[in-house]
Amino acid sequence: QSALTQPRSVSGSPGQSVTISCTGTSSDVGGYNYVSWYQQHPGKAPKLLIYDVTKRPSGVPDRFSGSKSGNTASLTISGLQAEDEADYYCCSYAGTPYVFGTGTKVTVL
Amino acid sequence: QVQLQESGPGLVKPSETLSLTCTVSGGSISNYYWSWIRQPPGKGLEWIGYIYYIGTTNYNPSLKSRVTILVDTSKNQFTLKLTSVTAADTAVYYCARHGVGGYYVSNWFDPWGQGTLVTVSS
Repeated sequence: QSALTQPRSVSGSPGQSVTISCTGTSSDVGGYNYVSWYQQHPGKAPKLLIYDVTKRPSGVPDRFSGSKSGNTASLTISGLQAEDEADYYCCSYAGTPYVFGTGTKVTVL
Repeated sequence: QVQLQESGPGLVKPSETLSLTCTVSGGSISNYYWSWIRQPPGKGLEWIGYIYYIGTTNYNPSLKSRVTILVDTSKNQFTLKLTSVTAADTAVYYCARHGVGGYYVSNWFDPWGQGTLVTVSS
């Protein structure tokens, strides 16, 4: 099972919106509504942001939102803030059963 | 709230067995699925496997021949064993709980332990 494909980096100015894509296949992202997203600051453990494609756990700001179209899932960060600078990973159930994305570094300019 | 803590040797020799324990505090290990996930230095995340509190397991096919995950409900702990390690197994190892409890596995990980670095070197 290959890792899901994410852009290596995205950037934006404070207040702007950025979107991170997560591309897989019909065997993972496209086949199930079980995509989750994690934020990881340097030296820290990943933190859950989104689960089941669009659901946001309590305590996660509504600036973070998820969506999916076909074999590609997306995480959008609206109103970018300095503390959003981190690495972001998607994860999908794949029958194997889990595969992570390659990771995206978000830089706040 | 539930907290997870990984423990075990930080250095393992090539060809030996890596053994880590995850201790769950602030809640019961019962009724949940629990996973091990690793991250090589500077690289992405890789799911290793999960265990349900009654002992049902599921492993990443790429590691299946070398991985065993066990649970000890009396100690509120679960354990990872990875045999015949090589330098490629050097990573930060995380334990994590699956989202909600119940017989059917929930497909996200929350919370996570802080992680422990295991280096494979002679």
